[in-house]
Amino acid sequence: EDQVTQSPEALRLQEGESSSLNCSYTVSGLRGLFWYRQDPGKGPEFLFTLYSAGEEKEKERLKATLTKKESFLHITAPKPEDSATYLCAVQAAPLVFGKGTRLSVIA
Amino acid sequence: DTEVTQTPKHLVMGMTNKKSLKCEQHMGHRAMYWYKQKAKKPPELMFVYSYEKLSINESVPSRFSPECPNSSLLNLHLHALQPEDSALYLCASSQHPGQGIDTQYFGPGTRLTVL
Repeated sequence: EDQVTQSPEALRLQEGESSSLNCSYTVSGLRGLFWYRQDPGKGPEFLFTLYSAGEEKEKERLKATLTKKESFLHITAPKPEDSATYLCAVQAAPLVFGKGTRLSVIA
Repeated sequence: DTEVTQTPKHLVMGMTNKKSLKCEQHMGHRAMYWYKQKAKKPPELMFVYSYEKLSINESVPSRFSPECPNSSLLNLHLHALQPEDSALYLCASSQHPGQGIDTQYFGPGTRLTVL
């Protein structure tokens, strides 16, 4: 069965304190792994698509990486506006989501 | 532009009401999706339309009825809902259903409250 596990469930950081979120997956034939950001009461906002092990993508303070078993979302020098839930999903049939990591960045 | 729009933003309805949620995309995407999301949970897939045909129905109760009038529009008709159906309803679209990497883009959601 296709499965996505995200850790930690919640993370509290001081502004400027870099950290990483983890997404481990088991899926038969990965076609794509996606990261989304979701603010409370809003729809998920697309961040990155990863496909190949070793692939990296960056956007502002965020960098996503992919191995054969997991993906990391690295947050460098976070700001309070980075506070959100970050969702990882893998492209199976249908899209399989992890439960998300709720990130709080304190000024 | 990767915009998916949804109306209304908020909806309050009684258990005997009939209402509809609407979703629109103008990106030329050929798949559209309805998800239901409860607080602090990930989105749960309800329906998938692929090339304007219903391809997935995740055993959703018949009080939810999807409709895809054309490739840009997706509706969700609601009738005789229960209070436990209160949730954020999300629409998404993707370009190439069933072909390679297919990123889904989400709308802002409709917050539904059933009294």
